Amino acid sequence: DQQVKQNSPSLSVQEGRISILNCDYTNSMFDYFLWYKKYPAEGPTFLISISSIKDKNEDGRFTVFLNKSAKHLSLHIVPSQPGDSAVYFCAASSNAGGTSYGKLTFGQGTILTVHP
Amino acid sequence: EPEVTQTPSHQVTQMGQEVILRCVPISNHLYFYWYRQILGQKVEFLVSFYNNEISEKSEIFDDQFSVERPDGSNFTLKIRSTKLEDSAMYFCASAYSSGNTIYFGEGSWLTVV
Repeated sequence: DQQVKQNSPSLSVQEGRISILNCDYTNSMFDYFLWYKKYPAEGPTFLISISSIKDKNEDGRFTVFLNKSAKHLSLHIVPSQPGDSAVYFCAASSNAGGTSYGKLTFGQGTILTVHP
Repeated sequence: EPEVTQTPSHQVTQMGQEVILRCVPISNHLYFYWYRQILGQKVEFLVSFYNNEISEKSEIFDDQFSVERPDGSNFTLKIRSTKLEDSAMYFCASAYSSGNTIYFGEGSWLTVV
């Protein structure tokens, strides 16, 4: 299932700089997108979401951008902190065709390392 | 902050045995989910549960799997006869409504030997 793809398995960034995590999707029915952060042996922690009626959503240091025509979303973290080091998953959902927003389709994840 | 709690954190079981994974969702949430992540693979949707019945399930969720909300607070996943390929981290999740944020528990790591 390659409906949601994170093509960069890892990203390394200096503390204080911007981290940009990318995600592509193929299913045009997806209309709700989320980013989760995950530490080893823990569950995914919700970070930020965006509906397809928007192209940007901001929450503190985290901003998600959605480009529907390119079927691409990105998560910007500014400024990056060492505590941000984790695996970041993008996820997508839709309530079309009898599915529900609760059925999330996840990407493979990107390991972010923020160096002090 | 309210959280989804899961027990056990880790269980080792013999192939063919029954396993029950337990979850206490966030108290005012109405939608409940199980997901799993096999080591090195993506997090995958298993099943959603609302109003005391399954609302959606994936192809993975075959007859070996069942879910139950026995007492209004716990939400359980039962695997009737475990197989080696059931070894995975199982995540319970809940949401207040269908379009709201889904919150995940810390996971139950199941090892089938």
